[in-house]
Amino acid sequence: ILNVEQSPQSLHVQEGDSTNFTCSFPSSNFYALHWYRWETAKSPEALFVMTLNGDEKKKGRISATLNTKEGYSYLYIKGSQPEDSATYLCASPSGSARQLTFGSGTQLTVLP
Amino acid sequence: NAGVMQNPRHLVRRRGQEARLRCSPMKGHSHVYWYRQLPEEGLKFMVYLQKENIIDESGMPKERFSAEFPKEGPSILRIQQVVRGDSAAYFCASSPGQGEDTQYFGPGTRLTVL
Repeated sequence: ILNVEQSPQSLHVQEGDSTNFTCSFPSSNFYALHWYRWETAKSPEALFVMTLNGDEKKKGRISATLNTKEGYSYLYIKGSQPEDSATYLCASPSGSARQLTFGSGTQLTVLP
Repeated sequence: NAGVMQNPRHLVRRRGQEARLRCSPMKGHSHVYWYRQLPEEGLKFMVYLQKENIIDESGMPKERFSAEFPKEGPSILRIQQVVRGDSAAYFCASSPGQGEDTQYFGPGTRLTVL
């Protein structure tokens, strides 16, 4: 069973602060790492799919890095805004179906 | 290009009734995944289908649950004789391929069993 863990579980930051959180996953048999942003009552929104060790991806103020050798990925948000408030999920494909195994998420609240 | 559609968004059933949840994948996507989020838990894989085929149902309860993805029409997740423990949010995701390809999620169906 693939074990994907995220920390911290929740985070409160002030508007304008930069923040980051962690996703850890088994480094053996690595295939890919997905990041999603999930606002309450909406669909999880795909942010990044990362596959290469050392990869860094960016979308606006959000970026992510990947270390497959040690089994972790960081998600960074620069200059947080209240609209960034959401749960950020990471997930790794596994199994014959490449189904996603999700972490429990980091719930980010950006205070105005 | 419309996103993944799910209906109904909310479904209330009494114990013993049947629940049918529908998922229309994004245009051009032939891979459908169903996930379930039980109260206070994360998203858990249930079943993976391609058109007319169940590829992996290892995450689906052995009894009362079934899924299909016919040649025409949406994918259906069917729960027979629902019990209170089936109350959850059921999400479907579609992708053009497996693994590395992004899975695009629908808004979910929230099932409440009275």
